[in-house]
Amino acid sequence: EDQVTQSPEALRLQEGESSSLNCSYTVSGLRGLFWYRQDPGKGPEFLFTLYSAGEEKEKERLKATLTKKESFLHITAPKPEDSATYLCAALPGNTPLVFGKGTRLSVIA
Amino acid sequence: EPEVTQTPSHQVTQMGQEVILRCVPISNHLYFYWYRQILGQKVEFLVSFYNNEISEKSEIFDDQFSVERPDGSNFTLKIRSTKLEDSAMYFCASGRDRQFFGPGTRLTVL
Repeated sequence: EDQVTQSPEALRLQEGESSSLNCSYTVSGLRGLFWYRQDPGKGPEFLFTLYSAGEEKEKERLKATLTKKESFLHITAPKPEDSATYLCAALPGNTPLVFGKGTRLSVIA
Repeated sequence: EPEVTQTPSHQVTQMGQEVILRCVPISNHLYFYWYRQILGQKVEFLVSFYNNEISEKSEIFDDQFSVERPDGSNFTLKIRSTKLEDSAMYFCASGRDRQFFGPGTRLTVL
């Protein structure tokens, strides 16, 4: 069964304190690994797609990396406006997107 | 930047009533999806739609659910007889491998 597990469930950081979020996946024939940001009561907002192990993508303070079993979302010097839930989703070979439960990030000024 | 839109933003209904949730996908996209998210839980796939027919559906998408593309721009999800457990956020998405999500409709079944 295709599965995506994210850790930690919640993370509290001081402003400027860098950290990483983890996404472990077990899917057959991975076509892509996605990161989304979700604010309370809103839809997931696309951040990155990664297609193959070793790939990295960056956007402002965020960098996503991919291995054969995991993806990491690194947050460098976060600001309070980075507070949100970060969702990881895997696109298996012939089935729809499978989401993790998300990591709820709080950045305190 | 083009975006997916959804209406209404919040729908309150009585158990047993029918509801229709509406979506306008991004105009040049051909693949459309409905997902739901029960409060505090994962985003779950309901159904995908391509070339005017359902291409895949989950176990959640039973006979009380249906989807339609009534014209060139709208994509709807109908729930025929709502149950309390249908209360959730419903998200429409469009795109193929890279899916763009709408802001969601919060459905509350009383």
